Amino acid sequence: GAGVSQSPSNKVTEKGKDVELRCDPISGHTALYWYRQSLGQGLEFLIYFQGNSAPDKSGLPSDRFSAERTGGSVSTLTIQRTQQEDSAVYLCASSLDNESPLHFGNGTRLTVT
Amino acid sequence: SQQGEEDPQALSIQEGENATMNCSYKTSINNLQWYRQNSGRGLVHLILIRSNEREKHSGRLRVTLDTSKKSSSLLITASRAADTASYFCATLSRGNTPLVFGKGTRLSVIA
Repeated sequence: GAGVSQSPSNKVTEKGKDVELRCDPISGHTALYWYRQSLGQGLEFLIYFQGNSAPDKSGLPSDRFSAERTGGSVSTLTIQRTQQEDSAVYLCASSLDNESPLHFGNGTRLTVT
Repeated sequence: SQQGEEDPQALSIQEGENATMNCSYKTSINNLQWYRQNSGRGLVHLILIRSNEREKHSGRLRVTLDTSKKSSSLLITASRAADTASYFCATLSRGNTPLVFGKGTRLSVIA
């Protein structure tokens, strides 16, 4: 089947606006992750969903960031009142379970002007 | 927070040479994984090595794991220009924890 799909691929928004980033994981994958990557940097963990467990939100940088995963499938990452430092590539990944390799989407490049 | 730290940060070699990248980590792990990233977008999984394994091979890739030193190495043999990419190690700790990535090594293979 298809891999992990993220939309939009690019998003330009004005400072102060809210944005929603979408991730469609691979069907049947119980684990879903969001990471953020600034230019030339490593991956910064944001949030992790595993099955029906409460999500691990320990990586969210501020309360402007939130994410949900509906029906154990599609996930949406929401950033409220965007700031310029939020500009980055947001990567979503899913895995069969929490010990299996991750399958990444191509990311959403967010630019806050 | 980042658990794995890759070394070197950047590596430039001639085509045909071998490339070795190292990864050190701090806490006990369940497994360690290596990923490759082209052009700053999605990462691709290369190889997974479990804490009770010492060495794994996949094609031109060889990964070693030394849990006593909390370190791993990725060896790419007979490198090609197409191997040019960033390579990341990622560690999975015990329990229901997320995979944590290092900052990566940028490999340039010159034809």
